[in-house]
Amino acid sequence: EVQLVESGGGLVQPGGSLRLSCAASGFTFSSYWMTWVRQAPGKGLEWVANIKKDGSEKYYVDSVKGRFSISRDNAQNSMYLQMNSLRAEDTAVYFCGRIILPSTGTWWFDPWGQGTLVTVSS
Amino acid sequence: DIQMTQSPSSLSASVGDRVTLTCRTSQSAGNSLNWYRQKPGRAPEVLIFSVSSVQSGVPSRFSGSGSGTDYTLTITSLQPEDFATYYCQQTARYPPTFGQGTKLEIK
Repeated sequence: EVQLVESGGGLVQPGGSLRLSCAASGFTFSSYWMTWVRQAPGKGLEWVANIKKDGSEKYYVDSVKGRFSISRDNAQNSMYLQMNSLRAEDTAVYFCGRIILPSTGTWWFDPWGQGTLVTVSS
Repeated sequence: DIQMTQSPSSLSASVGDRVTLTCRTSQSAGNSLNWYRQKPGRAPEVLIFSVSSVQSGVPSRFSGSGSGTDYTLTITSLQPEDFATYYCQQTARYPPTFGQGTKLEIK
């Protein structure tokens, strides 16, 4: 069974840092691009970052560029999101996801983990 | 960025009804338009990818269509588990963007 499990969320003060982890199982992790998506309380979905299979390409939403860093360890079947200079508006549930990228050029997220809550507050 | 507008924002319907949800994009998304369902307190799950392809395991009452800037998700014969929030997503251009969601409620 394909499974993604996030961890590392919690309460952090504005300006602080947090590192999220996403543990993958049930598939060949190194063969897939991966993603982070967040959802502020009671709000919609916002894409945060993507990382290529080998980690050589990374993409970020403008609002986190320079503050967040996505990475992965294929030997450990894990992906990470290092979040620095956190702001109140970063408060959200953070989901990791696997990217399905067939040769057609279209792509989508499947599956998603259950999410981990990050709260930025003093 | 490609802006996504879903309509309606909320919809009340009954079990057994047929409903159509709409997603409009500010630029053409081509075939790169996906639909997700999110049940309360759960992670989103893909229903439709590439405009009209039904994800494996998703019931046949779900269908997608559209082109250019206008896309639809149709659910025939609503079931209790379909009362949730639905999001469209474009992956034609970075950054990938989601619509604001359509909340489907029981009448």
